[in-house]
Amino acid sequence: QVQLQQWGAGLLKPSETLSLTCAVYGGSFSGYYWSWIRQPPGKGLEWIGEINHSGSTNYNPSLKSRVTISVDTSKNQFSLKLSSVTAADTAVFYCARGYKKIVPAALGLGYYYSYYMDVWGKGATVTVSS
Amino acid sequence: SSELTQDPAVSVALGQTVRITCQGDSLRSYYASWYQQKPGQAPVLVIYGENNRPSGIPDRFSVSSSGNTASLTITGAQAEDEADYYCNSRDTSGNHVVFGGGTKLTVL
Repeated sequence: QVQLQQWGAGLLKPSETLSLTCAVYGGSFSGYYWSWIRQPPGKGLEWIGEINHSGSTNYNPSLKSRVTISVDTSKNQFSLKLSSVTAADTAVFYCARGYKKIVPAALGLGYYYSYYMDVWGKGATVTVSS
Repeated sequence: SSELTQDPAVSVALGQTVRITCQGDSLRSYYASWYQQKPGQAPVLVIYGENNRPSGIPDRFSVSSSGNTASLTITGAQAEDEADYYCNSRDTSGNHVVFGGGTKLTVL
């Protein structure tokens, strides 16, 4: 059973760089999208970005200028760096495994895509405060 | 468009059926996936694709879709179903992941 274990600094000052790492245990690293998601207190889920096993990344356009996601396939780990943090970056951060596939539509009417995140880390609380 | 829209809150009487909807342009080409989140816990995938449930998810959860709208239906809602529910897909470009704003389900 695949498990994600995440860790990183929980308390930062404004302008510092947030750094979190997520380790993948019990499953393959390739063939999936590895995402970071955050959730500010009392608010919804916000996707930050993703990386695949070959290091190809996609980022949320609203955060792209401050985000770097990297991968270490030798350790089955991927990491998040978010620079120049402010109090607005205070949130619970999750790592998750995503999978995308093509699914034939009913009655042979073309196809759909299916994307889902089936494994999540427990979450790490990051607080930004002076 | 990169947005998915959900109603903020829905309520249902114990044992009754409730539908939670999600709208967005990407749903014309992507099946929505749905996540349940209880306070203080990580989201849990409850259904994805045409109508696939991960192991351990009860069959009272089902999905349907039409045009740009996906719906999560809970048939015979239980007290333990009270939670926040989020829909999710990739955007129309396929390059980004999007979440709906979430629906708070109250079981009365």
